Amino acid sequence: AQSVTQLGSHVSVSEGALVLLRCNYSSSVPPYLFWYVQYPNQGLQLLLKYTTGATLVKGINGFEAEFKKSETSFHLTKPSAHMSDAAEYFCAVSSPSGGGADGLTFGKGTHLIIQP
Amino acid sequence: GAVVSQHPSRVICKSGTSVKIECRSLDFQATTMFWYRQFPKKSLMLMATSNEGSKATYEQGVEKDKFLINHASLTLSTLTVTSAHPEDSSFYICSARWGNSYEQYFGPGTRLTVT
Repeated sequence: AQSVTQLGSHVSVSEGALVLLRCNYSSSVPPYLFWYVQYPNQGLQLLLKYTTGATLVKGINGFEAEFKKSETSFHLTKPSAHMSDAAEYFCAVSSPSGGGADGLTFGKGTHLIIQP
Repeated sequence: GAVVSQHPSRVICKSGTSVKIECRSLDFQATTMFWYRQFPKKSLMLMATSNEGSKATYEQGVEKDKFLINHASLTLSTLTVTSAHPEDSSFYICSARWGNSYEQYFGPGTRLTVT
């Protein structure tokens, strides 16, 4: 079984400040890890993903995340927050299955608030 | 990029009626589609996985007779909520992937309200 824990249901940062959203996972097999962003009443948009290879992955909108196996973490960061970053962020894990990947297991989400 | 659409975006139905939600992959062939449910201020919960031409695989606790899933073609999957009740009100989101891809593409979601 897999699980994802996102620390902090709400995170508030000032515009221009560092954004750090925490994600820890548990998985019995090497995981595939994802971060998604969701704007109100919309679906999910993929920010970035880790499958294999380089553990520091860069995504869209200036976000990046680092896979740390020893810490079972995949924290999301952005050096400088922008007002448009205000949204709900979900960390998710899946496992390779039959060459593809299973359905995703999501964390509970972190609501990112940007203070002007 | 890969685009997934859902129809309708919002639907209101009366208790006891059935409602169908469509999920379409617009520019790729989706061999696998997933259906998720999102409760208010909650995470997304995987309901079922459907592969084209075969029966859907439901997650534990999801009633297969209540949530009927059909994946009749490589571009269309449908979720029918049968005999809907107010507790079925939720945001339903589908996703699709092709072949052995690890990446899923999400639809914009359908807001179901049962009165």
